[in-house]
Amino acid sequence: AQTVTQSQPEMSVQEAETVTLSCTYDTSESDYYLFWYKQPPSRQMILVIRQEAYKQQNATENRFSVNFQKAAKSFSLKISDSQLGDAAMYFCAYRSAGTSNTDKLIFGTGTRLQVFP
Amino acid sequence: NAGVTQTPKFRVLKTGQSMTLLCAQDMNHEYMYWYRQDPGMGLRLIHYSVGEGTTAKGEVPDGYNVSRLKKQNFLLGLESAAPSQTSVYFCASSYTASPEQFFGPGTRLTVL
Repeated sequence: AQTVTQSQPEMSVQEAETVTLSCTYDTSESDYYLFWYKQPPSRQMILVIRQEAYKQQNATENRFSVNFQKAAKSFSLKISDSQLGDAAMYFCAYRSAGTSNTDKLIFGTGTRLQVFP
Repeated sequence: NAGVTQTPKFRVLKTGQSMTLLCAQDMNHEYMYWYRQDPGMGLRLIHYSVGEGTTAKGEVPDGYNVSRLKKQNFLLGLESAAPSQTSVYFCASSYTASPEQFFGPGTRLTVL
């Protein structure tokens, strides 16, 4: 079975600085998707960025980028120029991409990010 | 286009009471899911559906039942609520061919 591990329960960053959140996963599959979701105090789950395992290029969305290391099964999220609005819980998630899968997401336990002015 | 909506947003139950959580999506998605979120444990899949009239068990299905009578709605039922079911419940939906899931705003349920 696949597992997702986030080893940093809490992180903090100064406004305008850069922070990296870690995620590792375990799978025997070769084709899958990885995601980072943001959950602010409003509780809404917001998709930040996604990575397809077959793509070697790291995904980027504005100030958010990932470092995807397939062999090491590592998927870290880098937030550049941190803003107060980035303060939230961040979840790493995995989803199989095979044709027989049920498309369910497997989540890590989350990292709470604090941003200080 | 409201996306994924959940009713109610908050609920308090006494042990043994029953209730139904409603999830509705207006994006014509085939797949729908119910997750629960507990402190320190991330989100865990309760039940899911790959189409109208079909449901399947997820990781933590005990104590819950679901129904998908209409494509746009996915109901989660608690027949006899227990304090261990105190949690935040999220509904999500997705297209078959898309890897992304769209989440509702969540329902905070407290069982006393």
